[in-house]
Amino acid sequence: GEDVEQSLFLSVREGDSSVINCTYTDSSSTYLYWYKQEPGAGLQLLTYIFSNMDMKQDQRLTVLLNKKDKHLSLRIADTQTGDSAIYFCAERLDAGNNRKLIWGLGTSLAVNP
Amino acid sequence: GAVVSQHPSRVICKSGTSVKIECRSLDFQATTMFWYRQFPKKSLMLMATSNEGSKATYEQGVEKDKFLINHASLTLSTLTVTSAHPEDSSFYICSASGGQGRPQYFGPGTRLTVT
Repeated sequence: GEDVEQSLFLSVREGDSSVINCTYTDSSSTYLYWYKQEPGAGLQLLTYIFSNMDMKQDQRLTVLLNKKDKHLSLRIADTQTGDSAIYFCAERLDAGNNRKLIWGLGTSLAVNP
Repeated sequence: GAVVSQHPSRVICKSGTSVKIECRSLDFQATTMFWYRQFPKKSLMLMATSNEGSKATYEQGVEKDKFLINHASLTLSTLTVTSAHPEDSSFYICSASGGQGRPQYFGPGTRLTVT
């Protein structure tokens, strides 16, 4: 089946690193995404990784993909109060001309000063 | 780049009326647009996928006669909620993709309240 799981809450202190984890079940995913949603707002694409990559780094963000274990993580270095938001993990499944994203429920990140 | 807008951002309507929400890709051509619904403290629920010039593909359980989707051009898709009821109140978000291998970029969402 198609399922993406994330822990619902994470709390860190300002300046620490945050690690948000995600597991998925479908091994045929082509891309995996991290989106950020601030309160009352739409979704912002943070980063994505192609399924044949192990790691991608973009400034403070590091994405690690363990395809064997179907595990994806997002590390935010030097977490700031402005990083407080809900972070969604999503996997993209391609079936012919159809593409769809399977979403996790989101991890609410609280950054404490 | 890759900006998607939605209009209106908020709408309040009476039960039984219809509401149209627009989704535009401002700086790229979107071959595929997606419509999602988000319930409070819940993840996104994909409602339908539309490719420019063809009929939308609806997810199971989504009534196509109630949620009319039109994707008439490469930069515009519309969602019309027909005969709205209070249970249709929700946050509706669209996204657009420029083609194979490209991620979805999301609009800011539309908060619909049906009284």
